[in-house]
Amino acid sequence: AQSVSQHNHHVILSEAASLELGCNYSYGGTVNLFWYVQYPGQHLQLLLKYFSGDPLVKGIKGFEAEFIKSKFSFNLRKPSVQWSDTAEYFCAVNAPDNNDMRFGAGTRLTVKP
Amino acid sequence: EAGVAQSPRYKIIEKRQSVAFWCNPISGHATLYWYQQILGQGPKLLIQFQNNGVVDDSQLPKDRFSAERLKGVDSTLKIQPAKLEDSAVYLCASSLDMGTYSGNTIYFGEGSWLTVV
Repeated sequence: AQSVSQHNHHVILSEAASLELGCNYSYGGTVNLFWYVQYPGQHLQLLLKYFSGDPLVKGIKGFEAEFIKSKFSFNLRKPSVQWSDTAEYFCAVNAPDNNDMRFGAGTRLTVKP
Repeated sequence: EAGVAQSPRYKIIEKRQSVAFWCNPISGHATLYWYQQILGQGPKLLIQFQNNGVVDDSQLPKDRFSAERLKGVDSTLKIQPAKLEDSAVYLCASSLDMGTYSGNTIYFGEGSWLTVV
């Protein structure tokens, strides 16, 4: 079964700093990859997803992620964070034959104004 | 477009009591999921329905948890009797269907927060 690792539990940045959140998955076959965001008191929202094609995926709010197959990674990036990006970020994976989303433990991002 | 609705938002119960959570998915979505999210962890799938049938309940603790989706729309998740370790957020989610194609996004509700004391 697939699994997901997010190595950073809590990241603290100042506004305008660049962001990179790590995500590694464990699965031998083809996978679909996702990043979800959960703002304080709100529901999980899809930030971006990768199914196939260009490994550099652009999502909402200036976020992007790069799928590196050889490294089993799907890291999330943003060149310049804002205070409003303070949230919990979850990486998730599912296999093409199974819509069961496997989530990482999440990374809490705090952006200081 | 209306999202996934859940109630109650918050519930505090004593151990060994029972609790039920309700979910109304996005209109037209055939697939419904219940996830459990324990503090500090990512969501974990408990049960997945396709219309009113169960697709996957392998991670549902069936000795105390039950779920149903009788008419293929709303769903109820019940815990009886509750244990301290059941304290978590219970997330309901829905998608158009079971397929894993790009357009088949899973949408999450705001969750029902359960505290067992």
